[in-house]
Amino acid sequence: DQQVKQNSPSLSVQEGRISILNCDYTNSMFDYFLWYKKYPAEGPTFLISISSIKDKNEDGRFTVFLNKSAKHLSLHIVPSQPGDSAVYFCAASAFHFGNEKLTFGTGTRLTIIP
Amino acid sequence: NAGVTQTPKFRILKIGQSMTLQCAQDMNHNYMYWYRQDPGMGLKLIYYSVGAGITDKGEVPNGYNVSRSTTEDFPLRLELAAPSQTSVYFCAISPDRGNSVGYTEAFFGQGTRLTVV
Repeated sequence: DQQVKQNSPSLSVQEGRISILNCDYTNSMFDYFLWYKKYPAEGPTFLISISSIKDKNEDGRFTVFLNKSAKHLSLHIVPSQPGDSAVYFCAASAFHFGNEKLTFGTGTRLTIIP
Repeated sequence: NAGVTQTPKFRILKIGQSMTLQCAQDMNHNYMYWYRQDPGMGLKLIYYSVGAGITDKGEVPNGYNVSRSTTEDFPLRLELAAPSQTSVYFCAISPDRGNSVGYTEAFFGQGTRLTVV
């Protein structure tokens, strides 16, 4: 039962253009969402997050959008840079004392073409 | 403040051997996780723990065991290594939510690359 889904295993984008990575979830109890970035041979590192009380959160070139009715979130990277080439994971958490574990999607490999 | 420390970084095991992957944290977070990432694949949850003395299975627990006797340590045990357990293993930690809009960033270790031959 994959509660967090990233349906695109890979994405290629021209340098300077916008990269849009998508994530869908099924558990309506999820109320906090995060994006992680992973380079080869390294552990994932936190990128940006959003609470369900918001529908948008920006941090520099990175913006996360949340559509609660569609149970969908997306990560926009503008402009895309070669250093953005990595695997991106979305994750979700539900506020429930004693069971707030993070659930991760399967990841999308982003390749920025120079 | 090292965050999450995983040892060893690399290991080659023969089929049927056993080993323990170590994970230690210095951030006093209650939640600890073990994930595996197979080549070209995403993160799959093996086991997790919500605090000392409490563990639970994730998606792919078969062939593994865990224990959580302290807040700091969460070792992952492979009893009879199989080629299907060749993977990169990541330990992660995250805090309690605290409140309904709390910040729950997870921190990952650098990974243990395990090859079973």
